[in-house]
Amino acid sequence: GQQLNQSPQSMFIQEGEDVSMNCTSSSIFNTWLWYKQDPGEGPVLLIALYKAGELTSNGRLTAQFGITRKDSFLNISASIPSDVGIYFCAGHNNAGNMLTFGGGTRLMVKP
Amino acid sequence: EAQVTQNPRYLITVTGKKLTVTCSQNMNHEYMSWYRQDPGLGLRQIYYSMNVEVTDKGDVPEGYKVSRKEKRNFPLILESPSPNQTSLYFCASSAGTGGGQPQHFGDGTRLSIL
Repeated sequence: GQQLNQSPQSMFIQEGEDVSMNCTSSSIFNTWLWYKQDPGEGPVLLIALYKAGELTSNGRLTAQFGITRKDSFLNISASIPSDVGIYFCAGHNNAGNMLTFGGGTRLMVKP
Repeated sequence: EAQVTQNPRYLITVTGKKLTVTCSQNMNHEYMSWYRQDPGLGLRQIYYSMNVEVTDKGDVPEGYKVSRKEKRNFPLILESPSPNQTSLYFCASSAGTGGGQPQHFGDGTRLSIL
């Protein structure tokens, strides 16, 4: 299957800092999705991106669909302790019926 | 409340003993899928279904079976479980049939195969 490289794998930051993570692919996607997973729960959708170059915000979160359609990034501004969790990117191309996930970024926030 | 419900949430069992994990959604979604989550590998798709009686393999289908007899239910069957199937499993559903729509996930089923 397709591969999505997500980095970094983990981050340990101080409360109030900004965070940036990204996903890259060797092939083109038409949809990029960003999910957050809290401990003991399933992933929850944060932001969906459907157009190359699109920049979308959801509160302190901002995500962009790369212009080449092979990458996407997620920024979190002014992190707070409840931002702790695993963040996943996921991509979909219209040629198939599957969603491909990155390996996840584990975020830890020190109060 | 819109939700995807998986049962059981936790199961410890032994090699070779057939088991079924149920998944039900109340959103009238056409698309349903099963994933397994392993450390460092993210979520990998096992099987998906675009509608009733329509199922297809994902990236890691070996050792698993599924069925879609009703729109709301999509059970995952392990006919002869093995230790390498110890993992955290998620069921998800979405509107549409292409898989590109945002998927709603259940809370997961942690399986341990001894």
